[in-house]
Amino acid sequence: AVQLTQSPSSLSASVGDRVTITCRASQDINSALVWYQQRPGRAPDLLIFDASKLASGVPSRFSGSGSGTDFSLIISGLQPEDFATYYCQQYRHYWTFGQGTKVEIK
Amino acid sequence: QVQLVESGGGVVQPGRSLRLSCAGSGFTFGSSAFHWVRQAPDKGLEWLALISYDGSHTDYADSVRGRFTISRDNSKSTLFLQMNSLRPDDTATYYCARPYLSSWYDYWGQGALVTVSS
Repeated sequence: AVQLTQSPSSLSASVGDRVTITCRASQDINSALVWYQQRPGRAPDLLIFDASKLASGVPSRFSGSGSGTDFSLIISGLQPEDFATYYCQQYRHYWTFGQGTKVEIK
Repeated sequence: QVQLVESGGGVVQPGRSLRLSCAGSGFTFGSSAFHWVRQAPDKGLEWLALISYDGSHTDYADSVRGRFTISRDNSKSTLFLQMNSLRPDDTATYYCARPYLSSWYDYWGQGALVTVSS
């Protein structure tokens, strides 16, 4: 099974900061990776698909990059509504998720 | 608009059974595959099971294989998850989710909380 390792597991940041979250796959998954945002008590919302494509309605401050085994989610200019937990998910070999990165207010 | 609404969650004793339902609306239910995904309290997401659009193909994560059964009734636009031999570590919020072409999830239900405790 493909394992996804996210880092960091949590971070503290201020409004306006640039934030980078990484996701490493245990084997080559090409570009079969997405990023979700999850707020407390809610289902995840899709941010990025195919590693780098912005989902419909998602602000342009979110971006994704990477292929193979190493991926990144960047938030350029953190906004108050961005404080949430972020998950990567691969769909190259079945479906697995990273353990999540909680973005908290500094 | 597309809606997936889960029901059937609750508190159940270890070793007992529970069946979750997920009612779909706003789209052609019988043309979509579905998955179940769960999330233990303050933990990450775990894929559990899939079913093809017509129910002919199913698959399971090792953690639930042989205990959980995914099924569907397209005439009622409803997805099911029969959970048997429940254990405390099955305690989680269970989501039904629609995969986009076997890849990511474009729609999720609101989640159903299952608590396994004596």
